[in-house]
Amino acid sequence: QVQLQESGPGLVKPSQTLSLTCTVSGASIRSGSYYWSWIRQSAGKGLEWIGYVYPSGSSTYKPSLKSRVTISMAPSKNQFSLKLTSVTAADTAVYYCAREGYDSLTGLLYYFDSWGQGTQVTVSS
Amino acid sequence: DIQMTQSPSSLSASVGDRVTITCRASQTVTRYLNWYQQKPGKAPQVLIFGTSNLETGVPSRFSGSGSGTEFTLTISSLQPEDFATYYCQQSHSNPRAFGQGTKVVIK
Repeated sequence: QVQLQESGPGLVKPSQTLSLTCTVSGASIRSGSYYWSWIRQSAGKGLEWIGYVYPSGSSTYKPSLKSRVTISMAPSKNQFSLKLTSVTAADTAVYYCAREGYDSLTGLLYYFDSWGQGTQVTVSS
Repeated sequence: DIQMTQSPSSLSASVGDRVTITCRASQTVTRYLNWYQQKPGKAPQVLIFGTSNLETGVPSRFSGSGSGTEFTLTISSLQPEDFATYYCQQSHSNPRAFGQGTKVVIK
């Protein structure tokens, strides 16, 4: 059973960089065709997909966040991370790491099948 | 980008009621539509993937249907543990997108 756990500071000052790490157990992030993702949830915007990193190391981001986001992996630690620069109060949210997996029958139906518990990040001076 | 719109935003229902939630996409997502349940303080959990496929362990009172741009999640007989917020999500293309959620509360 795959388990994900977010870690990182709960408070970040405006204009600084938000950095979070997701530690994965029960699966190797370098194996399979899974997308290792970050999703955030704020009261004002609901669930918002930020982006993912693929086992090859390539990443894809939400266009509106692309200029500020980096998602990368540390395979030796079985971790992947999120960096979000120049944060403002609008980036205050619960941040989830998640695995986007696929169905065993066709391999075509992707969905978020495993989630971390989430970590609250507040942007405030 | 594909926008996902759910209706209603909230609904009140009683145990045993049949509940239907609708999700509309701003452009076709073919069959790549998933449904999640979220309870307070917890991460979302998948109920249905690929429009109508029930995730392992999810009760059969949950079902999904639709195609293209209009989809439905149905709970055939609402149980006490089903009071939660439900989200649709498209996995047809990037950026992935979620609906704004439908909160199911006790009448």
